[in-house]
Amino acid sequence: AQSVAQPEDQVNVAEGNPLTVKCTYSVSGNPYLFWYVQYPNRGLQFLLKYITGDNLVKGSYGFEAEFNKSQTSFHLKKPSALVSDSALYFCAVRDRVQNNAGNMLTFGGGTRLMVKP
Amino acid sequence: NAGVTQTPKFQVLKTGQSMTLQCAQDMNHEYMSWYRQDPGMGLRLIHYSVGAGITDQGEVPNGYNVSRSTTEDFPLRLLSAAPSQTSVYFCASSYAGTSGINEQYFGPGTRLTVT
Repeated sequence: AQSVAQPEDQVNVAEGNPLTVKCTYSVSGNPYLFWYVQYPNRGLQFLLKYITGDNLVKGSYGFEAEFNKSQTSFHLKKPSALVSDSALYFCAVRDRVQNNAGNMLTFGGGTRLMVKP
Repeated sequence: NAGVTQTPKFQVLKTGQSMTLQCAQDMNHEYMSWYRQDPGMGLRLIHYSVGAGITDQGEVPNGYNVSRSTTEDFPLRLLSAAPSQTSVYFCASSYAGTSGINEQYFGPGTRLTVT
């Protein structure tokens, strides 16, 4: 079985400071990893994904994430936070060996990012 | 493109009532899915489809039915609503692709309350 843990329910950051939202995963094989963002009363929006190759993945709105296989982590980062980054962030995973399951993912519980002016 | 659309946006049901949540996409995506979102639990997969005429169960399928008669539509039916089904429901779609895995596009959600 695959699972995702987001250990922080909420992360508070001052505008202009770097931010990190943590994610660890568990799969039996190699993972596909995703980050999605949810703004209030909206559906989830795709930010970035790790499929293979470079461990540092760059995505939308200046976000990036680093895949660390030894630590089974995929933390989301941004060098300088904006107030408009305040939202709910979800990490998601799928095992590469999973067949006939479409692109369906297992999601973490979500981390609320609060960026204060 | 309208993307993924869901109706209704809000719904209140009494225990035991049935209803259908509608989902449609205009991107010709092969894959579609239904998730429910509950506080602190992230999104949990209810049912999914890899193409017209093909559906399968996800993590929490009990109490829900789906069908996929066309590529565009993927309705979710609640057979006999229970308070435990109070949640926000999201429909999503994605391309099948030929390598790797493709991101999902989500609808705006349906907020369901069962009393």
